[in-house]
Amino acid sequence: AQSVTQLGSHVSVSEGALVLLRCNYSSSVPPYLFWYVQYPNQGLQLLLKYTSAATLVKGINGFEAEFKKSETSFHLTKPSAHMSDAAEYFCAVTDRGSSNTGKLIFGQGTTLQVKP
Amino acid sequence: KAGVTQTPRYLIKTRGQQVTLSCSPISGHRSVSWYQQTPGQGLQFLFEYFSETQRNKGNFPGRFSGRQFSNSRSEMNVSTLELGDSALYLCASSLDSFSTDTQYFGPGTRLTVL
Repeated sequence: AQSVTQLGSHVSVSEGALVLLRCNYSSSVPPYLFWYVQYPNQGLQLLLKYTSAATLVKGINGFEAEFKKSETSFHLTKPSAHMSDAAEYFCAVTDRGSSNTGKLIFGQGTTLQVKP
Repeated sequence: KAGVTQTPRYLIKTRGQQVTLSCSPISGHRSVSWYQQTPGQGLQFLFEYFSETQRNKGNFPGRFSGRQFSNSRSEMNVSTLELGDSALYLCASSLDSFSTDTQYFGPGTRLTVL
């Protein structure tokens, strides 16, 4: 079954430092990949998604992610962290098969802490 | 455009009761998916509805059910509540039912079972 692994349940960076959140998927057929962010007491907001176009995907709030098939990875980066980036981040996948429509499979999440 | 709305935002129930949660999708969206979020299990897919039909279902017991109305609004019902059903229930809507479609999430309903 398809699965997603996010390495590191907690990541702490200083304001202005590089943010790197890791995500690896398991399937041999590349899935569609998504990064979502969740602020406290809110739902999830899409940051970016990969659907077989360019492997480097740019999202909102300065985030980007690169799809690497050889590494089965889709890591999220941001050159310079801001205090407002503190939140929980989820990597998710959907299968290409039509039988799995509407079903996002999520990683366990990574809490990003930004220190002043 | 208004976003996805969920009502109520908070619910407290006791074991054995049943509960109904409501989700209004973004106008024009035809697909609604439901997820359960808990600290232990994370985000887990419950089911997806498209054009009033359940198209996909997660690995949850039959106590969890849902439906979708002709205006795409959706409800989910949990019968015979258990303590372990305490969770944040999120619904998400998308324009269609393709795997590439972006799902837009509501703020969730926080269910506490005592």
